[in-house]
Amino acid sequence: EDQVTQSPEALRLQEGESSSLNCSYTVSGLRGLFWYRQDPGKGPEFLFTLYSAGEEKEKERLKATLTKKESFLHITAPKPEDSATYLCAVQAGSGSEKLVFGKGMKLTVNP
Amino acid sequence: NAGVMQNPRHLVRRRGQEARLRCSPMKGHSHVYWYRQLPEEGLKFMVYLQKENIIDESGMPKERFSAEFPKEGPSILRIQQVVRGDSAAYFCASSPTIYGYTFGSGTRLTVV
Repeated sequence: EDQVTQSPEALRLQEGESSSLNCSYTVSGLRGLFWYRQDPGKGPEFLFTLYSAGEEKEKERLKATLTKKESFLHITAPKPEDSATYLCAVQAGSGSEKLVFGKGMKLTVNP
Repeated sequence: NAGVMQNPRHLVRRRGQEARLRCSPMKGHSHVYWYRQLPEEGLKFMVYLQKENIIDESGMPKERFSAEFPKEGPSILRIQQVVRGDSAAYFCASSPTIYGYTFGSGTRLTVV
């Protein structure tokens, strides 16, 4: 069964304090790994898709990396507006179009 | 170009009533997906539809739940005889192809 585990479940940072979020996965043939951001009361907002081990993508203060077993979302010098829940999801290569999500990681950045 | 539109944003139903959740995909998107988010849980896949076809309903409960995406109009997720355990946020997503989901803001269903 495809599975995604995110850690830690919650993280508090001071503004400017860089850190990394972990997403471990087991999947029967990875077609893609997705990172989303979700603000309270809103739907997930797409951030990145990674397709193969070694791939990296960046957007502003965020950088996502991928290995064969896990992905990291690195946050450099975060700001309070980066506070949100970050979701990781995988799509298997078995022909299914569904995404399997982790439970998410709630990030709070204090000014 | 409007995003994925879901309505209503909030829905309150008494136990035993029916709930109808609507999703209008982005213009040009022909693939619709429904997910459910229970408190303290991750998003769980329910169903994947294309126009007039259910492609994958492996995540849909066998009873009381149904979904459609007609040739004209929005996709509908229907829950009959709701129970308290159906209280959750229901999200719809659409895509033009099999990649690149865009999610709506969700419908928060509360069963009292």
